[in-house]
Amino acid sequence: AQKITQTQPGMFVQEKEAVTLDCTYDTSDQSYGLFWYKQPSSGEMIFLIYQGSYDEQNATEGRYSLNFQKARKSANLVISASQLGDSAMYFCAMREGRDNQGGKLIFGQGTELSVKP
Amino acid sequence: DSGVTQTPKHLITATGQRVTLRCSPRSGDLSVYWYQQSLDQGLQFLIQYYNGEERAKGNILERFSAQQFPDLHSELNLSSLELGDSALYFCASSLGPLVDTEAFFGQGTRLTVV
Repeated sequence: AQKITQTQPGMFVQEKEAVTLDCTYDTSDQSYGLFWYKQPSSGEMIFLIYQGSYDEQNATEGRYSLNFQKARKSANLVISASQLGDSAMYFCAMREGRDNQGGKLIFGQGTELSVKP
Repeated sequence: DSGVTQTPKHLITATGQRVTLRCSPRSGDLSVYWYQQSLDQGLQFLIQYYNGEERAKGNILERFSAQQFPDLHSELNLSSLELGDSALYFCASSLGPLVDTEAFFGQGTRLTVV
């Protein structure tokens, strides 16, 4: 069964430094998508970045990049130049490609990131 | 702003009651997904509708039901509420039947059952 694992319940990073949030996944599908979301204390889920299983290049969106290592089934989020506003919960999620599964996302348990001034 | 609108933002109700949560997807999106976020279960997929039809079902209790209307808005009905139903309920939307490169979430409805 598909599964997302985030092994870091909480992390600290100094402002302006880079941080990597780990995510590993398990799927038997060849076609799938990987997502990262940010959830600040206010509760909303903010889409950050997407990586398709067939994408050869690592996805980047501003200060966010996804370190995609297909053979290791990992999709780590790298945040460069951390800002105080990056303090939040971060979720990794996966969508499998099988049409009969619908479009649901499977989420990891999340990593709480705290940025120190 | 994701473009997905959920109402109400907060809801406090008593055990045994019934509530309805509403979601308006982003303009043009045909799929609506409902998720429940609780401290012990994390983010769990409940149900998906695509263009008015149920598309996929997850861990949705029989006391819960949903529908998507012709104007594509969706409602999640929760009945015979229990304390354990207290959670943050999210709606998300996407253009097609599968989440392609983005799935946008609403701000959520925080349900408290007392």
